[in-house]
Amino acid sequence: GESVGLHLPTLSVQEGDNSIINCAYSNSASDYFIWYKQESGKGPQFIIDIRSNMDKRQGQRVTVLLNKTVKHLSLQIAATQPGDSAVYFCAEKTFGNQFYFGTGTSLTVIP
Amino acid sequence: EPEVTQTPSHQVTQMGQEVILRCVPISNHLYFYWYRQILGQKVEFLVSFYNNEISEKSEIFDDQFSVERPDGSNFTLKIRSTKLEDSAMYFCASTPRIMSGELFFGEGSRLTVL
Repeated sequence: GESVGLHLPTLSVQEGDNSIINCAYSNSASDYFIWYKQESGKGPQFIIDIRSNMDKRQGQRVTVLLNKTVKHLSLQIAATQPGDSAVYFCAEKTFGNQFYFGTGTSLTVIP
Repeated sequence: EPEVTQTPSHQVTQMGQEVILRCVPISNHLYFYWYRQILGQKVEFLVSFYNNEISEKSEIFDDQFSVERPDGSNFTLKIRSTKLEDSAMYFCASTPRIMSGELFFGEGSRLTVL
């Protein structure tokens, strides 16, 4: 299978600070890289994706950065809020339309 | 807002029994998936389904597993002769198109094999 992994399994940040979650990937043939958020007892929820021919994409309070040279993906969350506490998964979509997920980083926001 | 629905939310079964997990994908979606998540672990790909047939399956998806789309709305995962290690959350997902990274997930079905 594909290999998508995370650098850190847990991350704690103070409310209002920015969060950065990192991910390494191995499959250069993926056409999209994606971040999902999973709250306890729920299914993963799409946050943002980036196409492989881009290096940065911004959404509402979130930014995804893609560094294809070192096969690294990151998610930046601005002004982190308690509701951002969750497990964050990076994923990659292959040109064959298969989605593979990494291990996940648990983000805890400290009020 | 349209959503993927899954039933049952939790099923307890004895080892060796067969279970069927059901999913109703979002109505205009074309690609359907089943994923498994063992407690505390990552979301593992099982199988993808498009145009009424399996498009890809993982090593996990062996002869013990099968999928069906028996009508225009339901998408089922059958697990035959369940084993203890089949205990996990099973997520159904769908997407309307391939030019996107967005998968729409259901809330999952928790399977507990005793």
